[in-house]
Amino acid sequence: EAQVTQNPRYLITVTGKKLTVTCSQNMNHEYMSWYRQDPGLGLRQIYYSMNVEVTDKGDVPEGYKVSRKEKRNFPLILESPSPNQTSLYFCASSLTGGDGNTIYFGEGSWLTVV
Amino acid sequence: AQKVTQAQTEISVVEKEDVTLDCVYETRDTTYYLFWYKQPPSGELVFLIRRNSFDEQNEISGRYSWNFQKSTSSFNFTITASQVVDSAVYFCALSEGAYNNNDMRFGAGTRLTVKP
Repeated sequence: EAQVTQNPRYLITVTGKKLTVTCSQNMNHEYMSWYRQDPGLGLRQIYYSMNVEVTDKGDVPEGYKVSRKEKRNFPLILESPSPNQTSLYFCASSLTGGDGNTIYFGEGSWLTVV
Repeated sequence: AQKVTQAQTEISVVEKEDVTLDCVYETRDTTYYLFWYKQPPSGELVFLIRRNSFDEQNEISGRYSWNFQKSTSSFNFTITASQVVDSAVYFCALSEGAYNNNDMRFGAGTRLTVKP
């Protein structure tokens, strides 16, 4: 089954404790990205990757890091989480980064930073 | 800059009523793509439809239909004979994505509640 898989789905952590949210897709998609969803703001892009070893900032990259060492994986790293990073996070992928290809989303990761 | 507005924050209807969710977008590109996603209470984002800017034909899929009008920059979504399972947050999104970064701009979402 074609899917984007995120882990963990739910996490409560403390301020400053580094954490990683993993993301994996099995569709051989070149393009992957991370979004965060906050009430009244819809989804906002954090980082994206056009292909392996190619990453760039989205609209709200502060406080986050990413890496793309393999095509299928695109982990999101919070080096020193803060309460304002409490949010619902989505990993997404599409065939390529252009032509308005349909983006497929993971199931979401609920992150609470206390 | 591209922008998507979903003016209806919340809508409540009774089962079997028809309901239309509005979406207005802004873009300076002539090539762009419009999407609708459904987010049920479980939280995942479910893809519903993708349209490109050159195809203004309305689309119907079962009880769902979409009305794309470039003249008014709108891409409205209608659910006919709504059901309780239609209760969700619905997002309209725009991607200019012609050359780089398939970045979608999302509206703030419309929460639809369908009461039995």
